Amino acid sequence: GENVEQHPSTLSVQEGDSAVIKCTYSDSASNYFPWYKQELGKRPQLIIDIRSNVGEKKDQRIAVTLNKTAKHFSLHITETQPEDSAVYFCAAITGANSKLTFGKGITLSVRP
Amino acid sequence: DAGVIQSPRHEVTEMGQEVTLRCKPISGHNSLFWYRQTMMRGLELLIYFNNNVPIDDSGMPEDRFSAKMPNASFSTLKIQPSEPRDSAVYFCASKIQRNTEAFFGQGTRLTVV
Repeated sequence: GENVEQHPSTLSVQEGDSAVIKCTYSDSASNYFPWYKQELGKRPQLIIDIRSNVGEKKDQRIAVTLNKTAKHFSLHITETQPEDSAVYFCAAITGANSKLTFGKGITLSVRP
Repeated sequence: DAGVIQSPRHEVTEMGQEVTLRCKPISGHNSLFWYRQTMMRGLELLIYFNNNVPIDDSGMPEDRFSAKMPNASFSTLKIQPSEPRDSAVYFCASKIQRNTEAFFGQGTRLTVV
């Protein structure tokens, strides 16, 4: 089955700097890659997604890139703010049955 | 729509007791997922349903865990008997099948003492 991996498990940046979070996936049949943000004590919520026929997508300060050949995708956050501090999960949807598999998450800390 | 609704929000039970977690998906969504979240393992997929049919339960840790979806608007996750290592936050999520956003419920925080 699909295996989604995120590295590292924690990331700390200075406010205003950029943050990049990387994920890899194993199943070449995966065709949809969402990113979720989870604030402390809350539910995960979608922040951006990308489909396999697109290489890059941007929404204000966040962007996602996809490299299908290498089977990796990345989340880019520019001009980070303290409210960006949260756990970020990458995920992949695989197959006609749409199995949704998450990575283990990365804790992003933005230092004021 | 009120979103995905889970109950209870918090559950504290003694080891050996039966625990039932409930989920009401968003109306019109035909895929439902149960996840367990812990610090060590992140968001683990336990089981998911498409059109009320279990598709993949390979993530269910043991026979102590079972899940049902008797109709399109209700699902349960049952643990019997419960053990302290089952303590975690359990999330239910629903989506329209295919490549669309999954919406999460607020989760059930289970503590087994």
